[in-house]
Amino acid sequence: ILNVEQSPQSLHVQEGDSTNFTCSFPSSNFYALHWYRWETAKSPEALFVMTLNGDEKKKGRISATLNTKEGYSYLYIKGSQPEDSATYLCALVSGGYQKVTFGTGTKLQVIP
Amino acid sequence: DTEVTQTPKHLVMGMTNKKSLKCEQHMGHRAMYWYKQKAKKPPELMFVYSYEKLSINESVPSRFSPECPNSSLLNLHLHALQPEDSALYLCASRRGEGSGANVLTFGAGSRLTVL
Repeated sequence: ILNVEQSPQSLHVQEGDSTNFTCSFPSSNFYALHWYRWETAKSPEALFVMTLNGDEKKKGRISATLNTKEGYSYLYIKGSQPEDSATYLCALVSGGYQKVTFGTGTKLQVIP
Repeated sequence: DTEVTQTPKHLVMGMTNKKSLKCEQHMGHRAMYWYKQKAKKPPELMFVYSYEKLSINESVPSRFSPECPNSSLLNLHLHALQPEDSALYLCASRRGEGSGANVLTFGAGSRLTVL
């Protein structure tokens, strides 16, 4: 069983605050790490794909980093907005690239 | 077409019923996935089909029976389910090449309630 852990489990921040979450994963048999955003009543949507140690990806106010040697990834949100409220999931790709195992998730609520 | 369509959106069934969940995509993706998601938990992998062949079964009970009739369609046949099987069932597809970089595209899910 692959343990992909995320912290914190939930987070409340004020509009305009910056925040970050952590995804920890076993570094053996690593193929890639995905980040997804899952808004209430919608489907999970991909944010980033990260494959190389040291990868940094950015999309607007959201960015992510990857450390495959120590088995963690950080997701950063700068200047949080209410529309950022969602559950953020990381997912480890392993097992011959087909197996995609989700982390425990971080539920973010941005208070206006 | 960049969508994964799941039907039905909601399903209520008794423990003796036989029903099916359906998932369809027309993006040319060759890998299709079933996940089960219970409240406040992450999606849990059940099955993966790659090029219409079952490639991963995460020790799912036989009361769940997947089927992939063609590259666009994925079914999940349900029989003799238990109340604890009530959950959101998510289908996802992915390009089938051997790369971890390809992301999952999800459907909206089928909410199953077993009475």
